[in-house]
Amino acid sequence: QSALTQPRSVSGSPGQSVTISCTGTSSDVGEFNYVSWFQQHPGKVPKLIIYDVTKRPSGQRPSGVPDRFSGSKSGNTASLTISGLRTEDEAEYYCCAYTGSYTYVIFGGGTKLTVL
Amino acid sequence: QVQLVESGGGLVKPGGSLRLSCATSGFIFSDFYMSWIRQAPGKGLEWLSYISNSGSTIYYADSVKGRFTISRDTAKNSLFLQMDSLRAEDTAVYYCARVSAIPDYWGQGTLVTVSS
Repeated sequence: QSALTQPRSVSGSPGQSVTISCTGTSSDVGEFNYVSWFQQHPGKVPKLIIYDVTKRPSGQRPSGVPDRFSGSKSGNTASLTISGLRTEDEAEYYCCAYTGSYTYVIFGGGTKLTVL
Repeated sequence: QVQLVESGGGLVKPGGSLRLSCATSGFIFSDFYMSWIRQAPGKGLEWLSYISNSGSTIYYADSVKGRFTISRDTAKNSLFLQMDSLRAEDTAVYYCARVSAIPDYWGQGTLVTVSS
């Protein structure tokens, strides 16, 4: 099973909005609403920011995810939108999807977000 | 709260072995699939292996099949990864993660360096 397809890089200015796409197939992204997004700053652990396509983690997690981060899905493509860009949003973003098959999970290759 | 703590990483020569451990707390270990994910320097996330909550289903990525063995000990709430015949390309940070359709909680990672 091939990796989910993400753009290698995206950029935006502070205050703007950017969208990162994640394209899979009808067997993973298209079939299940179990798409998640991770944010990773250099040298840090990937942080879950979106799960089940649109939900932001809360509760037990040590730090919440601002509502500037939102997820969506259309067909075989999921998207992460970050509005009101801030410099601290500059990071690598990975999508991840449940496959329902023996593989179970598949990752995207990652997208480097640069805040200009 | 949910915690996962990896240990066992280090420097090993090509062809050598290492055993990684992941101690967990804050959730019912026997209810969840568990996984190992790795990230080579400057590279993306690689879904390496998972084990079902009962231990009856196990998956390995092709890159480690036949060399790595995943296991779990419910009495100790712990996950393990036995890594044999290590290669330079196995150099990476290794994360254990709880799986709930997707890897939702991650440890801080342990660095494995394979070099002569």
